[in-house]
Amino acid sequence: GQQVMQIPQYQHVQEGEDFTTYCNSSTTLSNIQWYKQRPGGHPVFLIQLVKSGEVKKQKRLTFQFGEAKKNSSLHITATQTTDVGTYFCDASKLTFGGGTRVLVKP
Amino acid sequence: DVKVTQSSRYLVKRTGEKVFLECVQDMDHENMFWYRQDPGLGLRLIYFSYDVKMKEKGDIPEGYSVSREKKERFSLILESASTNQTSMYLCASSLYDRNVEQYFGPGTRLTVT
Repeated sequence: GQQVMQIPQYQHVQEGEDFTTYCNSSTTLSNIQWYKQRPGGHPVFLIQLVKSGEVKKQKRLTFQFGEAKKNSSLHITATQTTDVGTYFCDASKLTFGGGTRVLVKP
Repeated sequence: DVKVTQSSRYLVKRTGEKVFLECVQDMDHENMFWYRQDPGLGLRLIYFSYDVKMKEKGDIPEGYSVSREKKERFSLILESASTNQTSMYLCASSLYDRNVEQYFGPGTRLTVT
């Protein structure tokens, strides 16, 4: 199955800073889901995006679906230690994106 | 709350053994999935099932088979375990299809020696 590219693979962030992770596809997506997996845990659903250009917010997390529905981003503001984990996008293909592993430096 | 349980958190098996991984969900979900998770490779779909006795291959079905005799239970079978099947195995379920929220089990870390 076609994979979706997720970048960066690793992100070291200073506590309090912002960061963004991206999910890119070469084909148009019908929708996209984002999940978070804490260290030692299992993936937990965060959000689904369906419409072109859609933006959704969950507290310090902002999710965006591109106008062409080929990419998506997750932006976290004022990173906290509770944001540590791996963030996956699921682009309705057979396989999830490779994930962005986020480490927070206090 | 949806609950997805997996039979073991940790499992150690020898090469050539037959291995059964069990997954049970309690929310009457139609769809169930088996993934394996390896560092740097994300979550790769092995098999999924959208109904009792129905199954579909995912991205990496080779070396695996599945069984869904009851709606709530989805089993992953390694007919003859090999060392390259050492991995974290995650089961998930969803109400409609995999394009909606999936609920994951805690995972089984399988080591094949």
